[in-house]
Amino acid sequence: QQQVKQSPQSLIVQKGGISIINCAYENTAFDYFPWYQQFPGKGPALLIAIRPDVSEKKEGRFTISFNKSAKQFSLHIMDSQPGDSATYFCAAGLTGANNLFFGTGTRLTVIP
Amino acid sequence: EPEVTQTPSHQVTQMGQEVILRCVPISNHLYFYWYRQILGQKVEFLVSFYNNEISEKSEIFDDQFSVERPDGSNFTLKIRSTKLEDSAMYFCASSVRLATNEKLFFGSGTQLSVL
Repeated sequence: QQQVKQSPQSLIVQKGGISIINCAYENTAFDYFPWYQQFPGKGPALLIAIRPDVSEKKEGRFTISFNKSAKQFSLHIMDSQPGDSATYFCAAGLTGANNLFFGTGTRLTVIP
Repeated sequence: EPEVTQTPSHQVTQMGQEVILRCVPISNHLYFYWYRQILGQKVEFLVSFYNNEISEKSEIFDDQFSVERPDGSNFTLKIRSTKLEDSAMYFCASSVRLATNEKLFFGSGTQLSVL
């Protein structure tokens, strides 16, 4: 059972462009939606997270948009830079639970 | 920033052999986790550990798997008799509070190859 579906699998964006990665979840009880960023040879690191009481959260160039009725959330990277090239994972979880359900990851390449 | 350390970075083993993957979580963290990622697939939760006992485990974490915190600093995952399908990247993680309330700190992973 795939609790979180992520797309696209890979993404190539020009420097300065907007990168958009989408995720959809199944369990309406989920109330925590983080995005993790992973560079080669490193473990995933928390980038930004949102809870369903807001529809958008912005931190610098990174924005999460959340659509509760559609059970979807997305990561937008504004003014994408080559240093943003990494694999991005969305995840979803339930407050009080011990586990997170991750997507399959999106490999982002930002070309100069 | 403090880091979660995992050793070894790569482990090759024969099917049926026992393997132990080692992790040193961040020192003031209370919750410890193992996740795995089979190549090209999603990161999957295996087990969480708190107060010296398993707090939650997934269907993947069957009797072939065990975890231990032997000395107050290390956190290990043992696979008793490895199968080909155990080949994956195994991530250790730790957090101060429950995963959904606090960010997880992941190690850089152990790539396990079962031949």
